[in-house]
This record gives sequence, C-alpha cells and structure tokens, in this order.
Amino acid sequence: GENVEQHPSTLSVQEGDSAVIKCTYSDSASNYFPWYKQELGKGPQLIIDIRSNVGEKKDQRIAVTLNKTAKHFSLHITETQPEDSAVYFCAARGVAGTALIFGKGTTLSVSS
Amino acid sequence: GAVVSQHPSWVICKSGTSVKIECRSLDFQATTMFWYRQFPKQSLMLMATSNEGSKATYEQGVEKDKFLINHASLTLSTLTVTSAHPEDSSFYICSAAPLAGGGGSSYEQYFGPGTRLTVT
Repeated sequence: GENVEQHPSTLSVQEGDSAVIKCTYSDSASNYFPWYKQELGKGPQLIIDIRSNVGEKKDQRIAVTLNKTAKHFSLHITETQPEDSAVYFCAARGVAGTALIFGKGTTLSVSS
Repeated sequence: GAVVSQHPSWVICKSGTSVKIECRSLDFQATTMFWYRQFPKQSLMLMATSNEGSKATYEQGVEKDKFLINHASLTLSTLTVTSAHPEDSSFYICSAAPLAGGGGSSYEQYFGPGTRLTVT
C-alpha cells in the first residue's frame, strides 16, 4: 500500500520568511496530492492540491510542486504570517474514491 | 458547498459503554466515507472505508467488532465504538468522497470537524 513520508516534523520561521515542507510517496499509481492545514481541535482543511498531470500549482502565497519521477511533492508558503502557524499534512491517493494516506505532519511556527 | 458534519463534536463516556458518532454530507451525496482516528500530536490514521449499502472495509489492526460502521444512505455513515475503554479516547474524523455528479469535486475528500471521544 501507499506510504507517505513528510519532513520536517517541526519548522520555525520568522514572519515574512518562506516555509517549505516536503513529502515523498511510494505508490507510483498515486495521482492526487492534497495538503491540509489543521488547527488544534479541528478537522483538516484543504489548502491546496495537485493532480499528477500538473507539475506546479499556485494560490496566492501557497504553491505546491510535484515531481512524479522522483515521487515527491512539496508545499511552499511565502511571506509567512503568524496565522499560518498550524500543523500541515500532506497526503496521497490513487484511484478516486479510495482513501487518502497521510504523512506524519509538520508543526509550523511563525514568530513575529 | 461540500460540507461534512459530525455529531457529537465531543463526548465523554464511561468505560464499558458504547458511543455512536454520526457523519453526514450536507450538500452532496457520498458513495464512500472514510473514518480516521487521530491521537494527540499524531497523524490521521485510516480506520475503515465505508461504502453505502455494503460492509465496511477495515484497515489491518482495527477491530471490526469493536468499531461498528454503518453506511445506510448516501449522506450518512455512523461509527459505533462498542465497550469503549480509555485507550479508545481519541479524535475521530470522517471524510466523504462525492458521488460522480452528486455535487462536489470527485477528486477531493471532504472532512468533518471531528469528534473528541474521552473514555473515563
């Protein structure tokens, strides 16, 4: 089955800096790669996703890149703000309708 | 659009009792719903996949007789934790995959807000 590795487990940056979180996956059949932000006591919220037919996707300060050959994808947050502080999870999935498999999460702390 | 609700949001029960958690897709139909469990400072771990009208598929290590899943309609799945024990205390999160043409993106999974279960 799919296995997703996520690094780093914790990341501390200064406000205004960029943050990068990286994930690798094992199943070459996976074709959907979302990123979630989770605040304490709440369910995960989708912040951006990418499908396997695209190499990069951007939404304002957030971007995701995908390298299918190397089986890794990354989340990039620019101009970080204190409200970006949360736990971020990457996930991967194969066929639509099957379950997402999550990485172990990255706790991002943005200090002002 | 594409909202998933869970009820209750938190519950405290005594050891040995059973607890039912509901997961509803409010504005779309979901053939498949998923149940995850999340312990403090850990990731979401898939417990089971629930398909409407059929038996759930459980992940390895998840006791199907302890975690009863019923997916009776295209908008409702329930998870019953039977004979709960303190080690079952956790954050339970459901997600729903939209039926093609039933509203929502067929690629996304939509997550509920979670249910905090505490067993005393």
